[in-house]
Parts: sequence; C-alpha cells; structure tokens
Amino acid sequence: QQQVKQSPQSLIVQKGGISIINCAYENTAFDYFPWYQQFPGKGPALLIAIRPDVSEKKEGRFTISFNKSAKQFSLHIMDSQPGDSATYFCAATNTGTASKLTFGTGTRLQVTL
Amino acid sequence: DAEITQSPRHKITETGRQVTLACHQTWNHNNMFWYRQDLGHGLRLIHYSYGVQDTNKGEVSDGYSVSRSNTEDLPLTLESAASSQTSVYFCASSAGGSSNEQFFGPGTRLTVL
Repeated sequence: QQQVKQSPQSLIVQKGGISIINCAYENTAFDYFPWYQQFPGKGPALLIAIRPDVSEKKEGRFTISFNKSAKQFSLHIMDSQPGDSATYFCAATNTGTASKLTFGTGTRLQVTL
Repeated sequence: DAEITQSPRHKITETGRQVTLACHQTWNHNNMFWYRQDLGHGLRLIHYSYGVQDTNKGEVSDGYSVSRSNTEDLPLTLESAASSQTSVYFCASSAGGSSNEQFFGPGTRLTVL
C-alpha cells in the first residue's frame, strides 16, 4: 500500500527553467510534509518541509505548494541549476508517530546546460 | 561535529550467510531508522527504534532484525541473506519530540550473490 505517490519518476529541465515535482497522499492524519534531496552516493538530506496550516513555503529557489483539500503537495525549483541535479523524495508523517516517515518513490532530476 | 556513520560502505556476501550492517550516531538521538532504497520503490522502512531496548517492524521487515542496546547504535542483521536483499541500505536518526527531521547516513551497498 503506497500512501505517498510521487511523479514524475524522472525529469529533465534546462538551466534556468522551473522544475516541478508532485506528490499525493492518502492518509488524512499526515501533518508534516518534507522534501529530501539526494545526490549520487550520498544519503538523503532535508531540503524543505511544510505543515498543513499554510499553503506555501518558500526557501530561496525552492517552494512547496500544499493543497490540503486535494491531498497534494508539490516542490517547485525556480531558476533550476545543474547543481540541483539529484533525486528528490517527498515524504509525509503524522507527528504523533515520532517522525516515522512515509516516502514517495523519488524523482530523478537532471538540469541541462 | 555530530554525525551518523555506516559500515561497511560496500559488502558482497553469499546467499544464506548472516550479515550485520552497523549504524552509529553521535547526536544522542532517541529515534533511529533503517531503510532500503531500490529503484522504483524509493525508501522503504525496515525497522525503527524510539529508544534503548525498543524496536519496531517497518513495512519490509521480513528477513531482517535489529537490536538497540545503547542510544548510539542500531545494527541491522540479515539472518540468512537472499538475492532479493541486494540493495542500498540507509540508517537515519531523529531527535523526536517537536523535531521530525531525519538525518541520514551515507549508505551501505549490499550485494547478495
């Protein structure tokens, strides 16, 4: 049972373009939605996270948009750079479960010159 | 600096052998997690622990076991390695409480022949 569905599986964006990765969840008890970034040969690292009391969170070129009624959230990378090339995972949890995260299947982003 | 380490980084073993992967964190975090990463499946939770002597099964726990005898370590044991357990394994830790961020180790690439 996949509780967090992520798309697309892979994405190619030109330098300077906007990268958009989408996730949908099923469990309405989820109340914390992080995005993790993983470079080849490394472990994932927290990029940005949002709680459902806001519809958008922005940190630099990275923005999470959250739609509670649709049970969807997305990551937007503005002005995408080659250094953003990585695999991105969305995740979700109910904070009452002591941070046990459910991850999406990942999106491999390649930013070309 | 506090960190989370995994050893070995690479391991090749034969079907039927017992294998133990080490995970050590110096953040004094209560929560520790083991994931496996496979293409098309993202990160799947194997086992997790909320403190010393506490262990819990994740979504893909069959064939794996963990023990938590101190705060710093959560070793993962494959009782009788199978080819289906060829994967990249990540350990993670989190402080718990109001902090949901998980910090990941660098991973162990395990090949079962």
